[in-house]
Amino acid sequence: QQQVKQSPQSLIVQKGGISIINCAYENTAFDYFPWYQQFPGKGPALLIAIRPDVSEKKEGRFTISFNKSAKQFSLHIMDSQPGDSATYFCAASTRKAAGNKLTFGGGTRVLVKP
Amino acid sequence: DGGITQSPKYLFRKEGQNVTLSCEQNLNHDAMYWYRQDPGQGLRLIYYSQIVNDFQKGDIAEGYSVSREKKESFPLTVTSAQKNPTAFYLCASSPRLAATSYEQYFGPGTRLTVT
Repeated sequence: QQQVKQSPQSLIVQKGGISIINCAYENTAFDYFPWYQQFPGKGPALLIAIRPDVSEKKEGRFTISFNKSAKQFSLHIMDSQPGDSATYFCAASTRKAAGNKLTFGGGTRVLVKP
Repeated sequence: DGGITQSPKYLFRKEGQNVTLSCEQNLNHDAMYWYRQDPGQGLRLIYYSQIVNDFQKGDIAEGYSVSREKKESFPLTVTSAQKNPTAFYLCASSPRLAATSYEQYFGPGTRLTVT
């Protein structure tokens, strides 16, 4: 069964600190790895995504690091702000999947303390 | 504004009743999806549709049904056969044939409570 394992389930970071969320996958056919941000009571919003031909992608304070050999990828939130407090989901997909289905990790609840 | 709308935001039903959740998109996307989210858990795929008049079961389709009569609409019916229907339901859409067709865009969700 295709799975994406996400850790930690929750984390608390001080304002200005770095939040790090890790994901590991099993299916080597995965070729698209997005991260979604979800605020309470809202739908998830695409934050940043990476393909396996690059090892890192940065957008503002958010960076994805990708390790193809280890089948792992992570999200780094630099200079974390209270407004970043949300639940973050990693996901993976493959063009071989019917309907471009996404397989989601279990989510990480991030709390940034002022 | 382009986007995905889900209505209503909150829905309450008595056990044993069927209920239909609405999902509409004006993004001209081919593919649409329904997910279920339980507290502290990830998103689980219920049904998806790649084209009008066609849909496939996801990982947890039992107790649910869908239709796709129009490109912009993908309603989900939660039937009385669904054992634990109380959850947050999310609809998403994706441009199936575009270069970035993996991207899925989510609606605001409907919180269903069955008592």
